[in-house]
Amino acid sequence: DGGITQSPKYLFRKEGQNVTLSCEQNLNHDAMYWYRQDPGQGLRLIYYSQIVNDFQKGDIAEGYSVSREKKESFPLTVTSAQKNPTAFYLCASSTSDRGLWPLHFGNGTRLTVT
Amino acid sequence: EDQVTQSPEALRLQEGESSSLNCSYTVSGLRGLFWYRQDPGKGPEFLFTLYSAGEEKEKERLKATLTKKESFLHITAPKPEDSATYLCAPTGSARQLTFGSGTQLTVLP
Repeated sequence: DGGITQSPKYLFRKEGQNVTLSCEQNLNHDAMYWYRQDPGQGLRLIYYSQIVNDFQKGDIAEGYSVSREKKESFPLTVTSAQKNPTAFYLCASSTSDRGLWPLHFGNGTRLTVT
Repeated sequence: EDQVTQSPEALRLQEGESSSLNCSYTVSGLRGLFWYRQDPGKGPEFLFTLYSAGEEKEKERLKATLTKKESFLHITAPKPEDSATYLCAPTGSARQLTFGSGTQLTVLP
């Protein structure tokens, strides 16, 4: 079955360490996205990519970095510069033009930094 | 700036008790509005897309409607398995989705 795989499901890190979250899709979608979800808040866009080797910052990109070397993969690195990294991170993909097509989400990675 | 407000924040219903969830939005140049369902610890699951005022979509016990300022998700005779958080997300001329903070629905048997 086609879908989006995020790994790991839970991740624990010490403050000051960089950590990379994996996102792989086999839906043949061009566009991929990273969102952050905090309790009581809507999903907030971190980064998005419309095509391979190209990506744009979202609303809260500070302290994060991404790469898009393959169509299927869009890893997110949470750097030590991110002041409040503990959150639920969601990866998504869509056919194209995210204003008109629904997003398909993975099941998330819950990151805890202490 | 695009804004979205969902109400109520939480809703408890008895099985079979119909109700509606509200999504009020201020979006420049609405291109579409999406509804998602999210179960605890999971990613959101797509339910509906509405593109213009007056449009309605139905799926099992759920019906979504859209006006120029708000969208409603009507739940008819809900069952416990309908318990989840429901998210709405309009998208405007900037082609960026703005997610509401959701309505947490609990349906009691």
